[in-house]
Amino acid sequence: AQRVTQPEKLLSVFKGAPVELKCNYSYSGSPELFWYVQYSRQRLQLLLRHISRESIKGFTADLNKGETSFHLKKPFAQEEDSAMYYCALLHAGGTSYGKLTFGQGTILTVHP
Amino acid sequence: GAVVSQHPSWVICKSGTSVKIECRSLDFQATTMFWYRQFPKQSLMLMATSNEGSKATYEQGVEKDKFLINHASLTLSTLTVTSAHPEDSSFYICRAAAGTDTQYFGPGTRLTVL
Repeated sequence: AQRVTQPEKLLSVFKGAPVELKCNYSYSGSPELFWYVQYSRQRLQLLLRHISRESIKGFTADLNKGETSFHLKKPFAQEEDSAMYYCALLHAGGTSYGKLTFGQGTILTVHP
Repeated sequence: GAVVSQHPSWVICKSGTSVKIECRSLDFQATTMFWYRQFPKQSLMLMATSNEGSKATYEQGVEKDKFLINHASLTLSTLTVTSAHPEDSSFYICRAAAGTDTQYFGPGTRLTVL
């Protein structure tokens, strides 16, 4: 079964510290993975898509098929990074084509 | 980027009444609309998927007679919560998609049922 797991519900770091938000997945096909961010009282925004291999707002994420992980990393956290982060897996075929399966989300708090 | 709007942004209604939520894709044609429900500080749960001109496909455990979804055009989908009860209070979010490369979330609608 397709599943996305974010093991940390809450993550707190201090400004300037490195941050890593963990995401593991299980998927029978070739996965397409995303990170979404939801700032307080705002809509979900796409942060990263693994196939684009971009770095957005200093965040990067590498797909590790061996470990079935797609962890989100930033070397120096900023206070404005405080938000809810969701890892999501896109179903690229079959009857679930186009569906996104979300992880449980991680609330990141960056302290000054 | 493309914009998806939802209306209303928040609504309060009495128990037993019906509420309609609109989701519009403003500058692209959304062949597929996904409706999600989100409880406070929790993840998004997919309720149903609708393709333009077709009946919606509901996820297991979602009552199709209670959550009526219409996707009559490529730019508009509606979710109607019929005979709403307090347990239906939640944040409802749509996602409009045109293939896997074009997909955007709406801002959400907060429903409170008294």
